[in-house]
Amino acid sequence: TQLLEQSPQFLSIQEGENLTVYCNSSSVFSSLQWYRQEPGEGPVLLVTVVTGGEVKKLKRLTFQFGDARKDSSLHITAAQPGDTGLYLCAGSDSGSARQLTFGSGTQLTVLP
Amino acid sequence: DAGITQSPRHKVTETGTPVTLRCHQTENHRYMYWYRQDPGHGLRLIHYSYGVKDTDKGEVSDGYSVSRSKTEDFLLTLESATSSQTSVYFCAISQTGTSAGTDTQYFGPGTRLTVL
Repeated sequence: TQLLEQSPQFLSIQEGENLTVYCNSSSVFSSLQWYRQEPGEGPVLLVTVVTGGEVKKLKRLTFQFGDARKDSSLHITAAQPGDTGLYLCAGSDSGSARQLTFGSGTQLTVLP
Repeated sequence: DAGITQSPRHKVTETGTPVTLRCHQTENHRYMYWYRQDPGHGLRLIHYSYGVKDTDKGEVSDGYSVSRSKTEDFLLTLESATSSQTSVYFCAISQTGTSAGTDTQYFGPGTRLTVL
Protein backbone atom coordinates (compact mmCIF):
# COMPACT_ATOMS: atom_id res chain seq x y z
CA THR A 1 0.00 0.00 0.00
CA GLN A 2 1.40 3.36 -1.01
CA LEU A 3 1.31 6.10 1.59
CA LEU A 4 1.26 9.86 1.30
CA GLU A 5 2.31 11.86 4.32
CA GLN A 6 1.24 15.46 4.60
CA SER A 7 2.78 18.06 6.83
CA PRO A 8 1.97 19.96 8.81
CA GLN A 9 -1.29 18.40 9.96
CA PHE A 10 -2.55 21.73 11.32
CA LEU A 11 -1.50 25.25 10.40
CA SER A 12 -2.83 28.51 11.80
CA ILE A 13 -1.49 31.76 10.38
CA GLN A 14 -2.33 35.43 10.10
CA GLU A 15 -3.75 36.98 6.98
CA GLY A 16 -0.99 38.08 4.62
CA GLU A 17 1.53 35.43 5.63
CA ASN A 18 3.00 32.85 3.28
CA LEU A 19 2.86 29.11 3.87
CA THR A 20 3.92 25.81 2.38
CA VAL A 21 2.27 22.42 2.74
CA TYR A 22 4.18 19.26 1.93
CA CYS A 23 3.13 15.89 0.59
CA ASN A 24 5.75 13.14 0.69
CA SER A 25 5.97 9.49 -0.20
CA SER A 26 8.58 6.79 -0.66
CA SER A 27 6.69 5.67 -3.77
CA VAL A 28 6.61 7.08 -7.25
CA PHE A 29 3.30 8.43 -8.50
CA SER A 30 2.30 8.87 -12.10
CA SER A 31 0.41 12.04 -11.18
CA LEU A 32 -0.53 13.97 -8.10
CA GLN A 33 -3.58 16.06 -7.35
CA TRP A 34 -4.36 18.69 -4.74
CA TYR A 35 -7.87 19.12 -3.38
CA ARG A 36 -9.43 21.64 -1.03
CA GLN A 37 -12.31 20.72 1.24
CA GLU A 38 -14.58 23.00 3.23
CA PRO A 39 -16.65 21.87 6.24
CA GLY A 40 -19.71 19.86 5.27
CA GLU A 41 -18.66 19.53 1.65
CA GLY A 42 -16.73 17.14 -0.54
CA PRO A 43 -13.20 17.84 -1.76
CA VAL A 44 -12.79 20.00 -4.86
CA LEU A 45 -9.88 19.51 -7.25
CA LEU A 46 -7.42 22.42 -7.42
CA VAL A 47 -4.73 21.07 -9.71
CA THR A 48 -3.17 17.97 -11.26
CA VAL A 49 0.58 17.68 -11.83
CA VAL A 50 1.93 14.96 -14.05
CA THR A 51 5.54 15.68 -14.99
CA GLY A 52 8.46 15.49 -12.55
CA GLY A 53 9.62 19.01 -11.71
CA GLU A 54 6.38 20.54 -12.95
CA VAL A 55 5.25 23.82 -11.41
CA LYS A 56 1.71 25.11 -11.75
CA LYS A 57 0.32 28.39 -10.52
CA LEU A 58 -3.28 29.12 -9.64
CA LYS A 59 -3.48 32.79 -8.62
CA ARG A 60 -1.71 32.91 -5.22
CA LEU A 61 -1.25 29.13 -5.09
CA THR A 62 1.88 27.46 -6.49
CA PHE A 63 2.05 23.69 -6.84
CA GLN A 64 5.24 21.75 -7.47
CA PHE A 65 5.79 18.09 -8.30
CA GLY A 66 9.15 16.70 -7.23
CA ASP A 67 11.67 15.67 -9.87
CA ALA A 68 11.39 12.03 -8.79
CA ARG A 69 7.57 12.24 -8.63
CA LYS A 70 7.57 11.15 -4.98
CA ASP A 71 6.67 14.46 -3.39
CA SER A 72 4.79 17.66 -3.94
CA SER A 73 4.31 21.01 -2.29
CA LEU A 74 1.64 23.67 -2.17
CA HIS A 75 2.74 27.24 -1.50
CA ILE A 76 0.24 29.99 -0.75
CA THR A 77 1.35 33.60 -0.98
CA ALA A 78 -0.34 36.29 1.10
CA ALA A 79 -2.91 33.96 2.61
CA GLN A 80 -6.46 35.19 3.03
CA PRO A 81 -9.25 33.98 5.35
CA GLY A 82 -10.97 32.53 2.30
CA ASP A 83 -8.07 30.09 1.95
CA THR A 84 -9.13 28.38 5.17
CA GLY A 85 -9.91 24.72 4.63
CA LEU A 86 -8.58 21.18 4.53
CA TYR A 87 -5.98 20.64 1.82
CA LEU A 88 -5.54 17.09 0.57
CA CYS A 89 -2.98 15.64 -1.79
CA ALA A 90 -3.80 12.50 -3.73
CA GLY A 91 -1.51 10.35 -5.83
CA SER A 92 -2.32 8.09 -8.72
CA ASP A 93 -0.02 5.10 -8.63
CA SER A 94 -1.36 2.94 -11.40
CA GLY A 95 -1.48 5.46 -14.17
CA SER A 96 -5.21 5.70 -13.63
CA ALA A 97 -7.24 8.08 -11.55
CA ARG A 98 -9.47 5.15 -10.66
CA GLN A 99 -7.09 4.41 -7.78
CA LEU A 100 -6.18 7.49 -5.79
CA THR A 101 -4.18 7.40 -2.58
CA PHE A 102 -5.00 10.37 -0.36
CA GLY A 103 -2.82 12.04 2.22
CA SER A 104 -4.28 12.68 5.67
CA GLY A 105 -4.70 16.37 4.97
CA THR A 106 -3.54 19.74 6.27
CA GLN A 107 -6.11 21.86 8.10
CA LEU A 108 -5.31 25.49 7.33
CA THR A 109 -6.80 28.35 9.29
CA VAL A 110 -6.09 31.91 8.16
CA LEU A 111 -6.95 34.45 10.82
CA PRO A 112 -8.06 37.96 9.82
CA ASP B 1 -20.93 21.92 -9.88
CA ALA B 2 -21.18 18.28 -10.93
CA GLY B 3 -24.65 16.84 -10.36
CA ILE B 4 -24.00 14.45 -7.50
CA THR B 5 -26.36 13.88 -4.63
CA GLN B 6 -26.04 11.61 -1.66
CA SER B 7 -28.80 10.33 0.58
CA PRO B 8 -29.31 10.40 3.42
CA ARG B 9 -27.01 13.26 4.45
CA HIS B 10 -27.06 12.19 8.08
CA LYS B 11 -27.94 8.88 9.68
CA VAL B 12 -27.73 7.42 13.16
CA THR B 13 -28.16 3.69 13.50
CA GLU B 14 -27.48 0.89 15.92
CA THR B 15 -24.85 -1.81 15.79
CA GLY B 16 -25.95 -4.82 13.79
CA THR B 17 -28.50 -3.07 11.59
CA PRO B 18 -28.20 -2.92 7.80
CA VAL B 19 -27.60 0.48 6.23
CA THR B 20 -27.70 1.56 2.59
CA LEU B 21 -26.30 4.82 1.31
CA ARG B 22 -27.22 6.11 -2.10
CA CYS B 23 -25.23 8.13 -4.60
CA HIS B 24 -27.02 9.61 -7.59
CA GLN B 25 -25.40 11.43 -10.53
CA THR B 26 -26.84 13.31 -13.46
CA GLU B 27 -23.54 13.59 -15.40
CA ASN B 28 -23.62 10.17 -17.09
CA HIS B 29 -20.05 9.54 -15.89
CA ARG B 30 -18.81 5.99 -16.18
CA TYR B 31 -16.81 5.72 -12.98
CA MET B 32 -18.24 6.00 -9.47
CA TYR B 33 -16.48 5.62 -6.14
CA TRP B 34 -17.24 5.30 -2.46
CA TYR B 35 -14.77 6.69 0.08
CA ARG B 36 -14.80 7.05 3.82
CA GLN B 37 -13.12 9.95 5.61
CA ASP B 38 -11.84 9.67 9.14
CA PRO B 39 -9.65 12.05 11.15
CA GLY B 40 -5.98 11.40 10.49
CA HIS B 41 -6.67 9.06 7.57
CA GLY B 42 -7.74 11.32 4.75
CA LEU B 43 -10.01 9.62 2.25
CA ARG B 44 -9.85 5.85 1.79
CA LEU B 45 -11.41 4.02 -1.13
CA ILE B 46 -14.05 1.43 -0.22
CA HIS B 47 -15.33 0.25 -3.62
CA TYR B 48 -15.56 1.65 -7.09
CA SER B 49 -17.51 0.95 -10.25
CA TYR B 50 -16.36 1.20 -13.85
CA GLY B 51 -19.74 0.54 -15.40
CA VAL B 52 -23.18 -0.90 -14.78
CA LYS B 53 -22.80 -4.09 -12.74
CA ASP B 54 -18.98 -3.71 -12.87
CA THR B 55 -17.45 -3.08 -9.46
CA ASP B 56 -14.17 -3.68 -7.68
CA LYS B 57 -12.80 -3.50 -4.16
CA GLY B 58 -10.79 -0.66 -2.76
CA GLU B 59 -8.44 -0.37 0.17
CA VAL B 60 -11.03 -0.80 2.96
CA SER B 61 -13.79 -2.97 1.48
CA ASP B 62 -14.35 -5.39 4.39
CA GLY B 63 -17.88 -5.07 5.79
CA TYR B 64 -19.17 -3.18 2.73
CA SER B 65 -20.88 -4.20 -0.47
CA VAL B 66 -21.95 -2.14 -3.47
CA SER B 67 -24.32 -2.35 -6.37
CA ARG B 68 -24.77 -0.45 -9.59
CA SER B 69 -27.82 -1.45 -11.57
CA LYS B 70 -27.90 1.74 -13.66
CA THR B 71 -25.41 4.38 -14.66
CA GLU B 72 -26.73 7.07 -12.38
CA ASP B 73 -26.96 5.18 -9.08
CA PHE B 74 -24.28 3.59 -6.92
CA LEU B 75 -25.36 2.04 -3.63
CA LEU B 76 -23.17 1.30 -0.63
CA THR B 77 -24.48 -1.26 1.87
CA LEU B 78 -23.28 -2.04 5.34
CA GLU B 79 -24.80 -5.47 5.93
CA SER B 80 -24.39 -5.29 9.71
CA ALA B 81 -23.15 -1.92 10.87
CA THR B 82 -20.40 -1.70 13.49
CA SER B 83 -19.14 1.25 15.52
CA SER B 84 -15.90 1.21 13.51
CA GLN B 85 -17.95 2.16 10.45
CA THR B 86 -18.91 5.49 12.01
CA SER B 87 -17.51 7.91 9.46
CA VAL B 88 -18.26 10.42 6.75
CA TYR B 89 -18.89 8.71 3.44
CA PHE B 90 -18.23 10.43 0.12
CA CYS B 91 -19.29 9.40 -3.32
CA ALA B 92 -17.25 10.54 -6.31
CA ILE B 93 -17.62 10.29 -10.06
CA SER B 94 -15.22 10.59 -12.95
CA GLN B 95 -15.67 10.57 -16.66
CA THR B 96 -12.87 8.48 -18.03
CA GLY B 97 -10.37 7.34 -15.39
CA THR B 98 -7.73 7.91 -18.03
CA SER B 99 -4.40 6.14 -17.95
CA ALA B 100 -2.69 9.52 -17.97
CA GLY B 101 -3.92 10.04 -14.44
CA THR B 102 -5.37 13.40 -15.30
CA ASP B 103 -9.00 12.47 -14.87
CA THR B 104 -10.91 14.59 -12.38
CA GLN B 105 -12.97 13.07 -9.61
CA TYR B 106 -15.99 15.11 -8.51
CA PHE B 107 -17.22 14.53 -5.00
CA GLY B 108 -20.68 14.57 -3.52
CA PRO B 109 -21.55 16.43 -0.31
CA GLY B 110 -21.06 13.40 1.94
CA THR B 111 -23.14 11.33 4.36
CA ARG B 112 -22.37 11.44 8.06
CA LEU B 113 -23.06 8.00 9.54
CA THR B 114 -23.03 7.29 13.26
CA VAL B 115 -23.26 3.71 14.49
CA LEU B 116 -24.14 3.46 18.17
